[in-house]
Amino acid sequence: DIQLTQSPSFLSASVGDRITITCRASQDIRDFLAWYQQKPGKAPNLLIYAASALQSGVPSRFSGSGSGTEFTLTISSLQPEDFAIYFCQQFNGHPFAFGGGTKVEFK
Amino acid sequence: QVTLKESGPALVKPTQTLTLTCTFSGFSLNTGGMRVSWIRQPPGKAMEWLARIDWDDDKVYSISLKTRLTISKDTSKNQVVLKMTNMDPADTATYYCARISTGSSGWYDNWGQGTLVTVSS
Repeated sequence: DIQLTQSPSFLSASVGDRITITCRASQDIRDFLAWYQQKPGKAPNLLIYAASALQSGVPSRFSGSGSGTEFTLTISSLQPEDFAIYFCQQFNGHPFAFGGGTKVEFK
Repeated sequence: QVTLKESGPALVKPTQTLTLTCTFSGFSLNTGGMRVSWIRQPPGKAMEWLARIDWDDDKVYSISLKTRLTISKDTSKNQVVLKMTNMDPADTATYYCARISTGSSGWYDNWGQGTLVTVSS
């Protein structure tokens, strides 16, 4: 099975900061990776699919990059509503796997 | 607007069978390409993919849980049902249903809010 390792697990940042979260796959998954945002008690929200495609309605400050085994999610200028948990998901083959999540906290 | 909502018991006893229902709106599982999955997240742990059902009734299960899971759909009610047998405290988790984006390889464009299931005697 493919494993996804996210780093860091926690990130303290301020409004306006540029932040980057990394997701590493245990084997080549091409660009079969998605990123989600989750807030407490809410449904996860799709941000990025196919490693770098921005989901409709998602602000352009979110971007994704990478292919193969290493991927990044970048928020170019952190906004108050961006403090949340972010996680990655691979869909290169079953079983689909998820990263452990990164909690972005206010510094 | 697409919505999904999970429902089921908040507490089950060990060895019991869990039945969860995902009630959705905004799409039909009769439509070609539609697929719905169940995913769970134990407290403090990563999400775990459980099962998927497709518009043509094709089903895929987690290999590690295959013997305990049954997924089904009722298109007249816009529902997907997951049954998990022989529940154990390790199955305590928030259970989500989610729709795979139409035509995609497997990313989820809509999720339910999740339902917390605790397994305890």
